[in-house]
Amino acid sequence: EDQVTQSPEALRLQEGESSSLNCSYTVSGLRGLFWYRQDPGKGPEFLFTLYSAGEEKEKERLKATLTKKESFLHITAPKPEDSATYLCAVRGYGGSQGNLIFGKGTKLSVKP
Amino acid sequence: DGGITQSPKYLFRKEGQNVTLSCEQNLNHDAMYWYRQDPGQGLRLIYYSQIVNDFQKGDIAEGYSVSREKKESFPLTVTSAQKNPTAFYLCASKLTGAPTDTQYFGPGTRLTVL
Repeated sequence: EDQVTQSPEALRLQEGESSSLNCSYTVSGLRGLFWYRQDPGKGPEFLFTLYSAGEEKEKERLKATLTKKESFLHITAPKPEDSATYLCAVRGYGGSQGNLIFGKGTKLSVKP
Repeated sequence: DGGITQSPKYLFRKEGQNVTLSCEQNLNHDAMYWYRQDPGQGLRLIYYSQIVNDFQKGDIAEGYSVSREKKESFPLTVTSAQKNPTAFYLCASKLTGAPTDTQYFGPGTRLTVL
């Protein structure tokens, strides 16, 4: 069964304190791993798609990396406006019929 | 501007009532999706449609119904058979066959049962 686990559930950082969020996955053949940002009461906003192990993508203070078992979202020198819930999802070739399987998210709080 | 719109933003329902949530997109996307989001849980797929006049059940379709009569529209009806409908509902769409294969989300509708 395809599965996604995100850790930690919540993370509190001081402004400028770099850290990483983890997304561990089990999938029958990875077709894509997706990162989204979600602000309270709003829909998820697309950040990155990763397709193969070793792939990396960057956007401002965020950098996503991918291995065969997990993905990391690295946040460098975060600012308070980076506070949000970050969602990870995978799409596989197996029993999920190619639909996205989401983790429960990591809630990031960045204090000034 | 291209995008996905959902209405209403907030919806209140009395027990025993059916309610319909609207989802419209002008991105010319083929596939559309409905998800439910509850506190502490990941997004769960209710229904999806890859082409007009066709749709499939997701993981939690019981108590819900959909239609796809137009490419741009994918309304979701929450029926009285749905025992615990209070949740945040999200609509998404994507262009099938595109290299990026990315789903884009609307702003959501928060449904509360009174």
